[in-house]
This record gives sequence, structure tokens and C-alpha cells, in this order.
Amino acid sequence: DAKTTQPNSMESNEEEPVHLPCNHSTISGTDYIHWYRQLPSQGPEYVIHGLTSNVNNRMASLAIAEDRKSSTLILHRATLRDAAVYYCILRDVGTNAGKSTFGDGTTLTVKP
Amino acid sequence: DAGVTQSPTHLIKTRGQQVTLRCSPKSGHDTVSWYQQALGQGPQFIFQYYEEEERQRGNFPDRFSGHQYPNYSSELNVNALLLGDSALYLCASSFGDRTNTEAFFGQGTRLTVV
Repeated sequence: DAKTTQPNSMESNEEEPVHLPCNHSTISGTDYIHWYRQLPSQGPEYVIHGLTSNVNNRMASLAIAEDRKSSTLILHRATLRDAAVYYCILRDVGTNAGKSTFGDGTTLTVKP
Repeated sequence: DAGVTQSPTHLIKTRGQQVTLRCSPKSGHDTVSWYQQALGQGPQFIFQYYEEEERQRGNFPDRFSGHQYPNYSSELNVNALLLGDSALYLCASSFGDRTNTEAFFGQGTRLTVV
């Protein structure tokens, strides 16, 4: 299964942008890059996903490297409610469709 | 829309017992996946059900089994419980087994094996 590598933890100040990196050097052509976050005592929550092009939604932006071996989740203005564990995962739509592999994620701390 | 609902929220079982966890997917979703999340770790994929069949499976022993009903709800069964099975069990629903739509997770069932 394709794996992702993320820093264990990151800190940010409130109202500042946050860039959360993810490496996925073994990504295959049928893998989509998904980001989820998990707040304490809750199930993971979808944030954003993409294949090759950069993506924007109301929660965040996703920047994907041209070779697709890395990506960056961008929170434009961090709030205290953004403090969570952020997971970068690869979701295959080919042979292994549905088999999502989570790593240990990045714990984001937002300071007021 | 109630989203993904799981029951029970908490459960305590004794080693060697069997347990059944339940999941109702989000309205309009037909695919259910189960995950095990140990404390401080990311969720680990157990299996996925689509059209009442197990379509994908992670690295879990046969003690872990499941079922999907015609209304798309699902059950996770674990036999011969071990202390190491203590974890948060998460259910996620989505539409289609080979689509790239987002998955919605439930709040999970906290299983403690004593």
C-alpha cells in the first residue's frame, strides 16, 4: 500500500496561515490525495482531496507537486478550532479501491 | 441528515468474548468501511463492504468479520477478544466502491477488553 509521511507535530499562531506537508513518494497513478482531520473525541472529518491540480474549498487549499510525490495542505487563517490531528492519505480508485491507509498524522497546535 | 451513526458508543468486554458493533451510513451512501484506532495512532483499515460483500480487507485476522445489510447498514464482529483489541472502532460511509467521493466518519465505538 502506498504510504505517506508527515511531521509528528506543528505549531501555528491564530490568524496566521499554516502549511502542513505530506510526502508520498510511492504514489501510483490511480491514487487520489485526501486530507482528513480529527478533533479530540471525534471521528475524522474530510477536509479536501485532489489528483494533480491544486484544489480550493471553503476549509482549505491543497497544493500538489508536479511529480505528485508530495502535497501541502494550506489553512489560510488558523483558528483555535483548527487544532486537530491532520491526516494525509492516498485513496486508490484502481485495484485497491477503498483501501485507505492512514499514518499517524500531524498534530496541529494553534496558539492564541 | 443524521450522518453516520454508530452504536454503542462505549463497550466493555472480557477476554475471549465476542462483540458486535453497528453502523448506519449517511443517507445516500452505499459503501461502509471499518477502522480500528488505537490510542495515539491513526486509524487502521479493517475492511470495506459494498453491495453486501467484503470488497477490500486490511491486515486483520479472521476473528474480525463483518456484514452489510440490504439497507446498507453494517456490523463488525470480533470473536475471541484479546486485550489488544481495545481501541476506538470507526465506521466510514461513502458512495460507490471505486469512486473518489469523500468519506464520512461516525463518532466511533470505544471498546475496552478487560
